[in-house]
Amino acid sequence: DGGITQSPKYLFRKEGQNVTLSCEQNLNHDAMYWYRQDPGQGLRLIYYSQIVNDFQKGDIAEGYSVSREKKESFPLTVTSAQKNPTAFYLCASSTSGGRSTGELFFGEGSRLTVL
Amino acid sequence: DQQVKQNSPSLSVQEGRISILNCDYTNSMFDYFLWYKKYPAEGPTFLISISSIKDKNEDGRFTVFLNKSAKHLSLHIVPSQPGDSAVYFCAVSTSGSARQLTFGSGTQLTVLP
Repeated sequence: DGGITQSPKYLFRKEGQNVTLSCEQNLNHDAMYWYRQDPGQGLRLIYYSQIVNDFQKGDIAEGYSVSREKKESFPLTVTSAQKNPTAFYLCASSTSGGRSTGELFFGEGSRLTVL
Repeated sequence: DQQVKQNSPSLSVQEGRISILNCDYTNSMFDYFLWYKKYPAEGPTFLISISSIKDKNEDGRFTVFLNKSAKHLSLHIVPSQPGDSAVYFCAVSTSGSARQLTFGSGTQLTVLP
């Protein structure tokens, strides 16, 4: 089945540690995104990538890094520089360019807790 | 300053009745509007959308209304079912570009049997 797979679903991290969240899609979508959700808030864009080997900062990129070496994969690293990393992280993908309807397809999310 | 507001954090409705979820936006340049539904510990799923050239779009039990002059968007669910209980996010963009989606804070809908 086509879709987006995020792993791990739950992750615990000690303060000062970097952690990488995986996101893989087999929808043949060009564009991929990382969002963060906090209680009582909407989804906020961390990074996005329109094409392989290119990515752009979103609204809250500080303390995060990404790579896009393959079309199918868009891993997110939460670094120790991120001041408040405990959150629910969502990866998404979409078609891009003239075919885009603005609709995003989301993974099931990864919940990161910093101890 | 929030560009997209969902002022009701929660809404409870009896099964079979109508659910109305509201969303206000500030920028008149937004021209594409979407609703997503989210269950706990899952990613949001696309529900319905509307472009600014329309004022209504219907898909089964779900209808989205757009009032451009008021910068107001609403989602009507009728009849409401217990399986509709979820968090509903509105999202807006310019030119239908996914990378420019701005989300509201969500409304938790509870449909009571």
